[in-house]
Amino acid sequence: DTGVSQNPRHKITKRGQNVTFRCDPISEHNRLYWYRQTLGQGPEFLTYFQNEAQLEKSRLLSDRFSAERPKGSFSTLEIQRTEQGDSAMYLCASSGAGVNTDTQYFGPGTRLTVL
Amino acid sequence: AQKVTQAQTEISVVEKEDVTLDCVYETRDTTYYLFWYKQPPSGELVFLIRRNSFDEQNEISGRYSWNFQKSTSSFNFTITASQVVDSAVYFCALSEYEKLTFGTGTRLTIIP
Repeated sequence: DTGVSQNPRHKITKRGQNVTFRCDPISEHNRLYWYRQTLGQGPEFLTYFQNEAQLEKSRLLSDRFSAERPKGSFSTLEIQRTEQGDSAMYLCASSGAGVNTDTQYFGPGTRLTVL
Repeated sequence: AQKVTQAQTEISVVEKEDVTLDCVYETRDTTYYLFWYKQPPSGELVFLIRRNSFDEQNEISGRYSWNFQKSTSSFNFTITASQVVDSAVYFCALSEYEKLTFGTGTRLTIIP
């Protein structure tokens, strides 16, 4: 499978706990994106990396959220002190190669439930 | 700010009927991309098409076709001879540099 992969697929946690999600992009892609999708809504942009550099962050990304892409390959998204409002699907996408260089290809997502 | 409007929240059609999903967008950019994605019940967003703002030619891919009209800021998607496997939520999106702005989606149900 050469698509975008995300782990875990589901995460249930208690309010106040920290959680970390991982995204592995398509191997030749140098750009990686995180989005959040709540029920009945379209995905909302959170942040974007080109190689290891984090180039843009949405105001949705509060100081409890941090994203890294240490070697320009996989990325992690950490949420500290989770709140019930953080419950959502967290989607990762990558882009940057071939004919469709500006097309973002999405992974299956990590569904977070905060109790 | 960019905005994408998908006014149709839910559509149901009987199998083999044609169906059109509407998308209207707002942007101040002169260069931009428009996209359609499909989200089946499994949850993964599947890329369907990308259209450059300078290319207003309509596109057909099998049973799918897209109508891009800059004059009305619309990028509509038509499925011909719908099938049950087309049941999903469909999202229209607009690119702003590296960020995609999505509409709220249209849930399409094909009734066998």
